[in-house]
Amino acid sequence: EPEVTQTPSHQVTQMGQEVILRCVPISNHLYFYWYRQILGQKVEFLVSFYNNEISEKSEIFDDQFSVERPDGSNFTLKIRSTKLEDSAMYFCASTVVSGKLFFGSGTQLSVL
Amino acid sequence: GESVGLHLPTLSVQEGDNSIINCAYSNSASDYFIWYKQESGKGPQFIIDIRSNMDKRQGQRVTVLLNKTVKHLSLQIAATQPGDSAVYFCAETPSRGYNKLIFGAGTRLAVHP
Repeated sequence: EPEVTQTPSHQVTQMGQEVILRCVPISNHLYFYWYRQILGQKVEFLVSFYNNEISEKSEIFDDQFSVERPDGSNFTLKIRSTKLEDSAMYFCASTVVSGKLFFGSGTQLSVL
Repeated sequence: GESVGLHLPTLSVQEGDNSIINCAYSNSASDYFIWYKQESGKGPQFIIDIRSNMDKRQGQRVTVLLNKTVKHLSLQIAATQPGDSAVYFCAETPSRGYNKLIFGAGTRLAVHP
């Protein structure tokens, strides 16, 4: 069964450093998303992406965040200057028609 | 259920019993709902969905009930198994735009042998 894949599974970085989280959505999917989950809390929406542009973003997704689909298969989330509070599990998701999202296994980001 | 800080509400059941997990959603305009299961260290996995023009939908061992009058969603798991132990989230999509799912707080299901 096709699945969303995310790399790396764990990322440790120093505060102020840039990180790029990578995702390969399911190949025929058209809508792409990033969510995050702080330990023990609910899954929070960050951004949705369709037709090579952001379609919606949350208040969490400030100027320090950006997304890109650099080629036909990858979808990336960049955090320009990480803060301690950016530490969380970041999930990529995709769907062929928006609604039923398929999630990757996540990247655990730890900012020290 | 409601989450309080880092503490998820927990439902403890005996193996073989039926489980009912409840969720109150916030937006009366939402017209699509999903239940996700999240095991430790993994991403949310789709279980079952329902549209607002329905009040019940059944899958394999799972049933979702929707009560739009009180904005309530429930997930029933028949003959609960140890492999059902996980955190369960309900999620809703606002009718204006299908761009995102909004997740509820989650309920931990613990299945005891």
